[in-house]
Amino acid sequence: GQQLNQSPQSMFIQEGEDVSMNCTSSSIFNTWLWYKQEPGEGPVLLIALYKAGELTSNGRLTAQFGITRKDSFLNISASIPSDVGIYFCAGQLLTGGTSYGKLTFGQGTILTVHP
Amino acid sequence: EAQVTQNPRYLITVTGKKLTVTCSQNMNHEYMSWYRQDPGLGLRQIYYSMNVEVTDKGDVPEGYKVSRKEKRNFPLILESPSPNQTSLYFCASGARNEKLFFGSGTQLSVL
Repeated sequence: GQQLNQSPQSMFIQEGEDVSMNCTSSSIFNTWLWYKQEPGEGPVLLIALYKAGELTSNGRLTAQFGITRKDSFLNISASIPSDVGIYFCAGQLLTGGTSYGKLTFGQGTILTVHP
Repeated sequence: EAQVTQNPRYLITVTGKKLTVTCSQNMNHEYMSWYRQDPGLGLRQIYYSMNVEVTDKGDVPEGYKVSRKEKRNFPLILESPSPNQTSLYFCASGARNEKLFFGSGTQLSVL
């Protein structure tokens, strides 16, 4: 199946620092999604990207859909302690006019923020 | 309150003993899916369903079955569980062009 490589695997940062993580794929997607998972909970969608080159922000979060359709990055600016969690990228290739299909997730980036 | 409900939250069983993990959503979503989460591997899709009576394999369907007889329910069935199916399982649902909602997870241990 499709492979998504997400990096880094983990990050330990000080409060106030900016964070950057990315995902690369061996094949193209037409949707990129970024999720955050907190302990004991399921992932929650942060940002959805639907077009190559698209740059989208959600508060302190910014994500981009790579031009080649094989990569995406997520930036978090001015991190705070509640940013702690596991961040996942996910790619989706829609075919046949459908709106949902097989979703492939990255391995996750574990973020720790020290006050 | 809009939610995806999985049961049980925790389950310990033995090899070969059939089990079912239930998933129910109250948002009238067409799309539902099951994932398993393992350290270092992220979430891997097991099966998904685009609508009632329509199911498709994800990336890791071996050893699992699903059914979608009603829109709200999408149970995951392990006919003969094995230790390599010890994992954290998530059910999710979504409507067309809208975000996925995930359940709180089921931690399964197969001894």
